[in-house]
Amino acid sequence: AQTVTQSQPEMSVQEAETVTLSCTYDTSESDYYLFWYKQPPSRQMILVIRQEAYKQQNATENRFSVNFQKAAKSFSLKISDSQLGDAAMYFCAYRGTFYGTASKLTFGTGTRLQVTL
Amino acid sequence: DVKVTQSSRYLVKRTGEKVFLECVQDMDHENMFWYRQDPGLGLRLIYFSYDVKMKEKGDIPEGYSVSREKKERFSLILESASTNQTSMYLCASSRGGTTNEKLFFGSGTQLSVL
Repeated sequence: AQTVTQSQPEMSVQEAETVTLSCTYDTSESDYYLFWYKQPPSRQMILVIRQEAYKQQNATENRFSVNFQKAAKSFSLKISDSQLGDAAMYFCAYRGTFYGTASKLTFGTGTRLQVTL
Repeated sequence: DVKVTQSSRYLVKRTGEKVFLECVQDMDHENMFWYRQDPGLGLRLIYFSYDVKMKEKGDIPEGYSVSREKKERFSLILESASTNQTSMYLCASSRGGTTNEKLFFGSGTQLSVL
């Protein structure tokens, strides 16, 4: 079964600084998708960024970028120029492409990010 | 914008009660999901449905059942609520297929079972 591990329960970053959130996963599939979701205090989960495993190029979305290391099964999220609005719980998630894994996301335990002035 | 609406934001029930959590999406999505979220455990999949009247167990289906009679509505049922089912419940939907479709989430129902 696929597992997703986030080893940092909490992180803190100063405004305008850069922070990296870690995520590792375990799978026997060769093709899959990886996601980072953000959950602010409103509880509404929002997709931050996604990566297709067959693409070697790391995904970027404005101030958010990933470092995808397929061989190491690592998928970290880098937030540049951190803003107060980035404070939230961040979840890493995995989605496979085979029957039984294709439709559902498997989530990590989350990292709570604090942004300080 | 896709909207996923959960019927209650907060719910308090007593042990042994039958509880219905309702979820409605307005984008004609094939897939719908129920997750529960607990501190330190992240989101865990309870059930999902990829079509009307179709359902599949997720990772923690025990004590729950689901119903999907219409495409837009996916209900989670706690037949006899227990205190260990106190949790945040999140509903989500997505288009069908095996692409990198993202999930759209509701705002969650915080259920307390006393």
